[in-house]
Amino acid sequence: KAGVTQTPRYLIKTRGQQVTLSCSPISGHRSVSWYQQTPGQGLQFLFEYFSETQRNKGNFPGRFSGRQFSNSRSEMNVSTLELGDSALYLCASSLVTSGISNEQFFGPGTRLTVL
Amino acid sequence: GNSVTQMEGPVTLSEEAFLTINCTYTATGYPSLFWYVQYPGEGLQLLLKATKADDKGSNKGFEATYRKETTSFHLEKGSVQVSDSAVYFCALETSYDKVIFGPGTSLSVIP
Repeated sequence: KAGVTQTPRYLIKTRGQQVTLSCSPISGHRSVSWYQQTPGQGLQFLFEYFSETQRNKGNFPGRFSGRQFSNSRSEMNVSTLELGDSALYLCASSLVTSGISNEQFFGPGTRLTVL
Repeated sequence: GNSVTQMEGPVTLSEEAFLTINCTYTATGYPSLFWYVQYPGEGLQLLLKATKADDKGSNKGFEATYRKETTSFHLEKGSVQVSDSAVYFCALETSYDKVIFGPGTSLSVIP
């Protein structure tokens, strides 16, 4: 069974630009969550999508947005990039039953550097 | 709201030493509890989990017991190896709510 894939693996952008990251979950998983990981703030939850609907949202500004497609693939977009957006962005998919994810399967992450 | 607290480290141990990483939580209802591990340059992966009080999760020599009375889920291993060097995250989830991760504990095992 293929794992969670994220593309691209590395990105370099400049301030003010926008970026789109992609995540393909494990086949059959309908929940996709996004996290931002930085040395200073640790792992911070961005949002979760389930069946194309945003189910949960973290405390990030509106510049961070996401969506999920009918095949469960998800994208997240960051507009008007700031230096502080430099981070490892992790995607995780899970099989949700009775509202519980049971286990999250993480992708390798996309390393975003904003110059 | 729900939260997870864990010792932040870094923790440095000699090979074959005993490991304990403390994790306590605050949650309404009855959460499921998890330990995830992140090896250098990789994403997180599930190490073990427990879904109800007094359950013991175990994997690769690591163990953690769900203690409802002390709201804790401490991670232990009797004899660590250099290959255990990683960052360890305690996490919880309740129904229909997001998974909440602790800040992570960096472990370095030296030969």
